[in-house]
Amino acid sequence: QVQLQESGPGLVRPSGTLSLTCAVSGDSISSHNWWSWVRQPPGKGLEWIGEISQSGNTNYNPSLKSRVTISVDDSKNQFSLKLTSVAATDTAVYYCARRDPAFPFENWGQGTPVTVSS
Amino acid sequence: ETVLTQSPATLSVSPGERATLSCRASQSVSSNLAWYQQKPGQAPRLLIYDASTRATGIPARFSGSGSGTEFTLTISSLQSEDFAVYYCHQYNKWPPWTFGQGTKVEIK
Repeated sequence: QVQLQESGPGLVRPSGTLSLTCAVSGDSISSHNWWSWVRQPPGKGLEWIGEISQSGNTNYNPSLKSRVTISVDDSKNQFSLKLTSVAATDTAVYYCARRDPAFPFENWGQGTPVTVSS
Repeated sequence: ETVLTQSPATLSVSPGERATLSCRASQSVSSNLAWYQQKPGQAPRLLIYDASTRATGIPARFSGSGSGTEFTLTISSLQSEDFAVYYCHQYNKWPPWTFGQGTKVEIK
């Protein structure tokens, strides 16, 4: 059974960098899957941020591409999100998720809330 | 970008009744359309993929239909645990993968 768990600071200062990690259990980060980040602002819908494959290929949402980096740490079986130059509009619950190729997001973390505020 | 438009925004239904939710895509997504259920404070849960295939463990009262640009999620007889927000999601064309804005199913 695949499990994902997000971790990271719950408060980030404006113009700072948001950094989150997703620990994966029950599957190898090196398996033939895509590992994604999705966020949800308070009271709003879901927004896909980006994803990374086992080989390190990345796809990013064009609306965030200039500020986003997703990376993988095979040794720790986890992947990470960095979002730079954050503003209040980046306040959201951030989820990590897993999908098989040509398949939707099947496994999700529980989500971690991040607030951007001074 | 493929925009998904869900209707209605809110659906008021009595327990035991049928609920029909719609999702319209701005361009064809073939059958690469999924539905998720989300309850307060929880992550989305995959219900339907490939427009009409139930995910593992999803009750038969949930069914999906459609292809191209028009899709429907039907809950045949609403149970108390079904009151939630439902999102459609296309995984046909990226970037980006996109979601609808959601339909809230509430108790009438």
